[in-house]
Amino acid sequence: NAGVTQTPKFRVLKTGQSMTLLCAQDMNHEYMYWYRQDPGMGLRLIHYSVGEGTTAKGEVPDGYNVSRLKKQNFLLGLESAAPSQTSVYFCASSYTPPGRMSSGNTIYFGEGSWLTVV
Amino acid sequence: GQNIDQPTEMTATEGAIVQINCTYQTSGFNGLFWYQQHAGEAPTFLSYNVLDGLEEKGRFSSFLSRSKGYSYLLLKELQMKDSASYLCAANSGNTPLVFGKGTRLSVIA
Repeated sequence: NAGVTQTPKFRVLKTGQSMTLLCAQDMNHEYMYWYRQDPGMGLRLIHYSVGEGTTAKGEVPDGYNVSRLKKQNFLLGLESAAPSQTSVYFCASSYTPPGRMSSGNTIYFGEGSWLTVV
Repeated sequence: GQNIDQPTEMTATEGAIVQINCTYQTSGFNGLFWYQQHAGEAPTFLSYNVLDGLEEKGRFSSFLSRSKGYSYLLLKELQMKDSASYLCAANSGNTPLVFGKGTRLSVIA
């Protein structure tokens, strides 16, 4: 069972370079999320999507863009990478809408993408 | 806004019991999740509390008091493999999950 798959798993970027993180889920989930996790800061929401063709800003959206052209994919883009974007990025998806989750319908995470900007 | 607080680090002895607390201030609160995250891995679901009281799942139990904005995760008969970060997350309104900063638990022999 693939679940939520993120590519690439590791990447080193130079300041100013651009890149795209790909998240793919095979659970037919409507809702998808991008979080970043930094030491001492926990998981913080970057952007999320409530369906194909929709995106919304989270807590820390600056410096990132996202697209949801297909239901199963949620792309996170860095147009001009900065050292402050060095982080672990987690994609997640859910069957139920934000705020309506339950123990049987929770959020499923990908394995993470480690990004270093030098 | 939403605010979730939990201790940064805790240490406990193998075989002992440890309680990890979480306090939250959110609007439109629906329930409280607990996740476990081993180093270098994704968070995995442990428990979800909607109603006040204690829910037990084997060695792990979770408690919620909605009136006090308080939850705790109780781990019994600690094992070395329980060394991990434990994240609480509030399920509120129509917004995606908001996570606390996580509590790093170290289990020592």
